[in-house]
Amino acid sequence: DAGVTQSPTHLIKTRGQQVTLRCSPKSGHDTVSWYQQALGQGPQFIFQYYEEEERQRGNFPDRFSGHQFPNYSSELNVNALLLGYSALYLCASSSVDTQYFGPGTRLTVL
Amino acid sequence: KNQVEQSPQSLIILEGKNCTLQCNYTVSPFSNLRWYKQDTGRGPVSLTIMTFSENTKSNGRYTATLDADTKQSSLHITASQLSDSASYICVVSARSGNTGKLIFGQGTTLQVKP
Repeated sequence: DAGVTQSPTHLIKTRGQQVTLRCSPKSGHDTVSWYQQALGQGPQFIFQYYEEEERQRGNFPDRFSGHQFPNYSSELNVNALLLGYSALYLCASSSVDTQYFGPGTRLTVL
Repeated sequence: KNQVEQSPQSLIILEGKNCTLQCNYTVSPFSNLRWYKQDTGRGPVSLTIMTFSENTKSNGRYTATLDADTKQSSLHITASQLSDSASYICVVSARSGNTGKLIFGQGTTLQVKP
């Protein structure tokens, strides 16, 4: 079992560009959550997907969007990147009350 | 408002010493409380998870306690090692339908020096 995997591991974009991050959940997990973690801060909840629908959403603008596929994998899309979006983006998969985090994608916006 | 507060913000100890990290929360309805260890630039790794009825749980040199009445938790690290240097994050799950909503503390940064 590979656990939660994310791709890419690192990414550099320029302001105004669009980015797509990907997450494969742990085997048997059907819920995927995305978090943004700025340097030195705790993770901030972006949204959660279950049964291919967005179930919960944190305080993030609509330029943050996502998708969950039938195999439970998920994508996080961010349009019109801002410098302040440079962060570690974490994906977590869960089943009932157990949640596991992926290694994260380090996004740098220049 | 659901909140999780951790103290201290940062901590430096010598290798071999013990330390205790604190977590206070105001989360309702409470589902469970987790402690995570996060190495710099990596994803958090679960250390312990406790439900309302559990007072203590150990994972090797890590022992977590939970007082659901006072809404406080602590993480005690025994005989610290250099590899314990990391951020420790307290996360409380608020029950929300079939899935829980996680509320994260800001973390305590621990540095273990030789």
